[in-house]
Amino acid sequence: DVKVTQSSRYLVKRTGEKVFLECVQDMDHENMFWYRQDPGLGLRLIYFSYDVKMKEKGDIPEGYSVSREKKERFSLILESASTNQTSMYLCASSFTASSTDTQYFGPGTRLTVL
Amino acid sequence: KQEVTQIPAALSVPEGENLVLNCSFTDSAIYNLQWFRQDPGKGLTSLLLIQSSQREQTSGRLNASLDKSSGRSTLYIAASQPGDSATYLCAARSNYQLIWGAGTKLIIKP
Repeated sequence: DVKVTQSSRYLVKRTGEKVFLECVQDMDHENMFWYRQDPGLGLRLIYFSYDVKMKEKGDIPEGYSVSREKKERFSLILESASTNQTSMYLCASSFTASSTDTQYFGPGTRLTVL
Repeated sequence: KQEVTQIPAALSVPEGENLVLNCSFTDSAIYNLQWFRQDPGKGLTSLLLIQSSQREQTSGRLNASLDKSSGRSTLYIAASQPGDSATYLCAARSNYQLIWGAGTKLIIKP
């Protein structure tokens, strides 16, 4: 079974702090994704990566950056956390970009910025 | 720009009923339509993936249909059980990206 793990289930940070969210997948997937999920809005794509050291902006990249130094690990960075970044953050991976491939999700990190 | 809508936002039915969840999308140029399940505090689990050339997919008590011309997909759950209680999300794939609905929260009452 594919396993996607996220470093924390819950995080509480203060405004202005630098925040790192880590995601690791164990199935040699090429693609990795970071989403945020807010009530009534569904999932929104922040960034994705289709290869090591490659990244692409999603729909809402402002205030975020990412790092993919190794194939199995994809990090989301909040350079200076703000209260409007309080949300559930979900990491996902997929084997390829083929239309037959689904995404596998981690359990999520619920981030609260005070 | 693709938009995906799920109505209703919440649904409560007695155990044993058959039910249908709805998903609509505005742009018919999709690669596939996927249904996911999300349990409280957990990530998402893929249930069914329908390619754009397909009309339906089945897995156990679940059947998903796709009508691109009308911009609609439905998820049919037969003989519902309390364990089916979860939030169900649909997502339409346009190019490399999934566009998500906000989900339908389903409660099956014993």
